[in-house]
Amino acid sequence: EAQVTQNPRYLITVTGKKLTVTCSQNMNHEYMSWYRQDPGLGLRQIYYSMNVEVTDKGDVPEGYKVSRKEKRNFPLILESPSPNQTSLYFCASRPGSSYNSPLHFGNGTRLTVT
Amino acid sequence: LAKTTQPISMDSYEGQEVNITCSHNNIATNDYITWYQQFPSQGPRFIIQGYKTKVTNEVASLFIPADRKSSTLSLPRVSLSDTAVYYCLVGDVRGGGNTPLVFGKGTRLSVIA
Repeated sequence: EAQVTQNPRYLITVTGKKLTVTCSQNMNHEYMSWYRQDPGLGLRQIYYSMNVEVTDKGDVPEGYKVSRKEKRNFPLILESPSPNQTSLYFCASRPGSSYNSPLHFGNGTRLTVT
Repeated sequence: LAKTTQPISMDSYEGQEVNITCSHNNIATNDYITWYQQFPSQGPRFIIQGYKTKVTNEVASLFIPADRKSSTLSLPRVSLSDTAVYYCLVGDVRGGGNTPLVFGKGTRLSVIA
């Protein structure tokens, strides 16, 4: 089944403890991205990647890092999480070269930073 | 980067047609308009996409006027299962160049029996 898989689904951590949220897609998509969703603010893009070894900042990149060493994986790294990064996070992918292709989203990771 | 504006919420009775309008005054020539549906605890799901005039698929229609400064998602005969948040996204879906894709705040549709 074609899908975008995020892990973990739920994560509770403390301020300053480094964490990684994984994202993997099995559709051979070039484009991958991370979003955070907060009440009243909709979805805001954190980082995106057009292909392997190519990443760019989205709307709200501060406090986050990403890497794209393989086409299928796009982990989101929080080096020193803070409470304002408590949010619902979504990973998405789509074919980079395919015109008009929609985004495929994972089911989200709910992160709580205390 | 085209900013979108949608109503925050809408209510409808089952069986009615629902129209949700999105304003995007700064839409660029290469931008497409895409609508997504999101249920609680799930990621957004693609509904429909268009560039101009009218697009129809098995779940919805999308109306885009000639000036492309707005678009209307039309859901025919809604049911309780259509209760969700609907997002309008405007951007260059061919890759976005070096610009991010920005979602609006969405419209929360509540369907009432």
